[in-house]
Amino acid sequence: GAVVSQHPSRVICKSGTSVKIECRSLDFQATTMFWYRQFPKQSLMLMATSNEGSKATYEQGVEKDKFLINHASLTLSTLTVTSAHPEDSSFYICSARRTPGTSGSNEQFFGPGTRLTVL
Amino acid sequence: AQRVTQPEKLLSVFKGAPVELKCNYSYSGSPELFWYVQYSRQRLQLLLRHISRESIKGFTADLNKGETSFHLKKPFAQEEDSAMYYCALTRRPNNFNKFYFGSGTKLNVKP
Repeated sequence: GAVVSQHPSRVICKSGTSVKIECRSLDFQATTMFWYRQFPKQSLMLMATSNEGSKATYEQGVEKDKFLINHASLTLSTLTVTSAHPEDSSFYICSARRTPGTSGSNEQFFGPGTRLTVL
Repeated sequence: AQRVTQPEKLLSVFKGAPVELKCNYSYSGSPELFWYVQYSRQRLQLLLRHISRESIKGFTADLNKGETSFHLKKPFAQEEDSAMYYCALTRRPNNFNKFYFGSGTKLNVKP
């Protein structure tokens, strides 16, 4: 199978602090990872596309200085929410795709999500 | 611009009844369509994709390019089918291409 993990699963922080969320592909290499935000009872909103070894591509309306993404290896991408505010409270989900050309590379494998609460 | 539309936020049916979750898309190129499912307290997982032409858990979906639809169907719903269902689109070939998700439909199968 293809397993994607996220850490932490839940985090509570004070307003103004920064929070880092990790996304790991455990048993495959992921050239591309995606970061989503999911509001209660709503769909996934794509925030950015993270490509290993290059800068992330952010969707319109997503502040790249607010949501820092680093994809330093083929198995790890991190999302850092800088100077978090209560409105950043949400469920953040990552997904990963296999390296193009490999079996199943068209499919996205999702992490379990991280619940961020900013007080 | 690409867009995926799921017109129904909630669909309630009785066990054993047929189910159809609607998905329409707009895309100028050659799309690849998927259905993802999210059971309560679980992560999203792939249910099926149009290129596989397979039936998973009794569900099928046919890509209708004329109607730009990819509706998900099951002839006899089961209670365990209750979940959120998301239709998604990506481009073919889709190296590095992102997915576009619909807003989701919550399926509630009543006993």
